[in-house]
Amino acid sequence: GQQVMQIPQYQHVQEGEDFTTYCNSSTTLSNIQWYKQRPGGHPVFLIQLVKSGEVKKQKRLTFQFGEAKKNSSLHITATQTTDVGTYFCAGSQGGSEKLVFGKGTKLTVNP
Amino acid sequence: GAVVSQHPSRVICKSGTSVKIECRSLDFQATTMFWYRQFPKKSLMLMATSNEGSKATYEQGVEKDKFLINHASLTLSTLTVTSAHPEDSSFYICSARKRAYEQYFGPGTRLTVT
Repeated sequence: GQQVMQIPQYQHVQEGEDFTTYCNSSTTLSNIQWYKQRPGGHPVFLIQLVKSGEVKKQKRLTFQFGEAKKNSSLHITATQTTDVGTYFCAGSQGGSEKLVFGKGTKLTVNP
Repeated sequence: GAVVSQHPSRVICKSGTSVKIECRSLDFQATTMFWYRQFPKKSLMLMATSNEGSKATYEQGVEKDKFLINHASLTLSTLTVTSAHPEDSSFYICSARKRAYEQYFGPGTRLTVT
């Protein structure tokens, strides 16, 4: 079945440093979504990428979808303490809306 | 907006009892809702897809007789954990589909079975 791998599992950074999490699918995806889950909270939708090679930005966050639509990345520039949480990618295949989640990358930011 | 609520947020029950969890889309209609389970420090695992007015579609390995899903209206889906056991203790999260490929998650329900 479809698998979505996400690395790294944990990332500790100093405030102001950059952060990147990577997602890799075993199959071609129709779209990929990114979520953020704060400690004790629920996943919050950040963005969806649909097109091959797509790049989207949200302030300090940059999301990329690979040309082959099998990998994606989330890059945060100049992290802040408010960025702490676990970032999940989730992909769907074909016409299905079922999401397969990566295991997440837990980000901690030292002030 | 797209707000999804879940009730209760926490529940503790005794082994052998049943627990019902409600998932509501507050400001939009959702013909499709999804139920996930999240173990501590783990990712979300899709349990089933709930479709309004029809039977839920369960993922492989999920017992449909144990996790009863009812999607009776366009704003409400319920998950009933029947004859709960300690291994059913987990964080259960629902999501509601607002439009194609857009899901909004509820705040989750932490179930503890003693």
